[in-house]
Amino acid sequence: SAVISQKPSRDICQRGTSLTIQCQVDSQVTMMFWYRQQPGQSLTLIATANQGSEATYESGFVIDKFPISRPNLTFSTLTVSNMSPEDSSIYLCSVDDGVDEQYFGPGTRLTVT
Amino acid sequence: QKEVEQNSGPLSVPEGAIASLNCTYSDRGSQSFFWYRQYSGKSPELIMFIYSNGDKEDGRFTAQLNKASQYVSLLIRDSQPSDSATYLCAVNIRGGADGLTFGKGTHLIIQP
Repeated sequence: SAVISQKPSRDICQRGTSLTIQCQVDSQVTMMFWYRQQPGQSLTLIATANQGSEATYESGFVIDKFPISRPNLTFSTLTVSNMSPEDSSIYLCSVDDGVDEQYFGPGTRLTVT
Repeated sequence: QKEVEQNSGPLSVPEGAIASLNCTYSDRGSQSFFWYRQYSGKSPELIMFIYSNGDKEDGRFTAQLNKASQYVSLLIRDSQPSDSATYLCAVNIRGGADGLTFGKGTHLIIQP
């Protein structure tokens, strides 16, 4: 399976600021996804990051709050904008390996104060 | 709303026994089904996936799918203390290379 890295691994941010999370894959992949895991909860899909086109957002998530870039087939970023304490979560990127199996990066643990 | 349901547990199983984890899903058109293991503070790790009705075995793990009953299960044979984790059931509702809908997970404890 692909090797996935994320930066930063964790951060503490002040409310009202923004944080950009990077996801790097060691091989070219078509589909990349961003998920959120709130404390004590399961994973919720935020959006699908498509190379060469706009990201596709799930219900309840909007581009102004979670802008996503996908400049090439090995890299994507998720920005959490105008943060509030409710945005404190683990943010995970995942990739589809081409046979509909998804593998996750190590996650970014975000705390908003 | 598309849902994936799991018993949150904790499910306590003696070492060496079979652990049985269950999951139901609401969307009858769901295409593929996944089991992930998540240790505390770590990201989910893919254990198995299944697309067709019946059983699929991989080492100590067996996934079972019954589309008519909208039911997926994971059996872990010869349970080890290292199997203690949260097990997440995930469903690809829309098919193809698409995002997954996750259940809330079952916390499994293997008692030595």
